[in-house]
Amino acid sequence: EVQLVESGGGLVQPGGSLRLSCAASGFTLSDHYMDWVRQAPGKGLEWVGRTRNKANSYTTEYAASVKGRFIISRDDSKNSLYLQMNSLKTEDTAVYYCARVTAVVTHGNDYWGQGTLVTASS
Amino acid sequence: DIQLTQSPSFLSASVGDRVTITCRASQGISSYLAWYQQKPGKAPNLLIYAASTLQSGVPSRFSGSGSGTEFTLTISSLQPEDFATYCCQQLKTYPLTFGGGTKVEI
Repeated sequence: EVQLVESGGGLVQPGGSLRLSCAASGFTLSDHYMDWVRQAPGKGLEWVGRTRNKANSYTTEYAASVKGRFIISRDDSKNSLYLQMNSLKTEDTAVYYCARVTAVVTHGNDYWGQGTLVTASS
Repeated sequence: DIQLTQSPSFLSASVGDRVTITCRASQGISSYLAWYQQKPGKAPNLLIYAASTLQSGVPSRFSGSGSGTEFTLTISSLQPEDFATYCCQQLKTYPLTFGGGTKVEI
């Protein structure tokens, strides 16, 4: 059974840093692209970024709103995905989801974690 | 960036109703569109990909159509468990983008 479990969320002051983790199980992580998607309270979904799979050299893409501040990485040997968030702003407050990209990368996200809440506030 | 505009934002319906939600893209995205269902406090659930292909395990009352810039999600006969928010996503170009969502209420 495919499972994704996020951790690491919490309260952080604006300007601070936080690292989210996503533990993957039930599939071979190195085969898949992986996304981070966030949802601010009461708002819609926002794509944060993507890491491609091993075959595509783990390259990354980011939304403009986080580019230069957030870094996506992965350790396939630990079945884990990470989101390093630096220079956090109040508008980064959201539930953060990790999501598996389907085998055909243009078919969306077929499995999602339960989400972890990040609150950037003083 | 490609903007996705969903309409309506809110929809009031009854069990058994036929419901149609529209998603319009600011530029052509061929069939690179997915639809998700999200219930309060839960992660989204993939319903349809490639604009019209039903994800495994999704009931056949859900269907999708369209290509280019206009897409629709249809629920043929609304069931109690279908009251949720529905969202489209374009997968043609980075940054990937989502529509604003359509909340289907009783």
